[in-house]
Amino acid sequence: DVVMTQTPPSLSVAIGQSVSISCKSSQSLVASDKNTYLNWLLQSPGRSPKRLIYQVSKLDSGVPDRFSGSGSEKDFTLKISRVEAEDLGVYYCLQGTHLPFTFGSGTKLEIK
Amino acid sequence: EVKLVESGGGLVQPGRSLKLSCAASGFSFNDYWMGWVRQAPGKGLEWIGEINQDSSTINYTPSLKDKFTISRDNAQNTLYLQMSKLGSEDTAIYYCASATMDAWGQGASVTVSS
Repeated sequence: DVVMTQTPPSLSVAIGQSVSISCKSSQSLVASDKNTYLNWLLQSPGRSPKRLIYQVSKLDSGVPDRFSGSGSEKDFTLKISRVEAEDLGVYYCLQGTHLPFTFGSGTKLEIK
Repeated sequence: EVKLVESGGGLVQPGRSLKLSCAASGFSFNDYWMGWVRQAPGKGLEWIGEINQDSSTINYTPSLKDKFTISRDNAQNTLYLQMSKLGSEDTAIYYCASATMDAWGQGASVTVSS
């Protein structure tokens, strides 16, 4: 199985600051169709997960452009610019290239 | 509005079986791959598996392949998860989701305990 190593496990940031979360895969996530199926999801407290970004850098509808995704092959980053209170929760990366699909262990974002 | 609503969760004894349902609405269910994800208490997300539109392809995470069965009824717009030989390690919230993870249900809580 592809192992997704996500760091850091937790972050505490002030409103308005920027943060980055890293996700590294044990194998390249470039699929045979040349797409890279790396997603980022947010699970707000007490809620179901919600996808924010798909295929490395494509924002889902309604997701603020404060969120951005980047990376390639095995190394990916989620950046949140100008953190807002509503951004708190646990962020997960998910690879959808190789079966079985696998999640990172999560990064808990807290607001100072 | 896309809606996924799980049902069938609850308390079940070790070794028993349980079947979860996920009712879909607001989209053309039979056009989409669907899947299940679970989350043990205080833990991260675990991908269980997925099923294609006509049920001809079903993929599972290997550790659950012999215990869990995913199926669907397109006429009823419903996705299912049949779970057998349940153990305490299967205690979790079970989420129904689109296979691309852009739509999620609210989750069904399953507790395995005597």
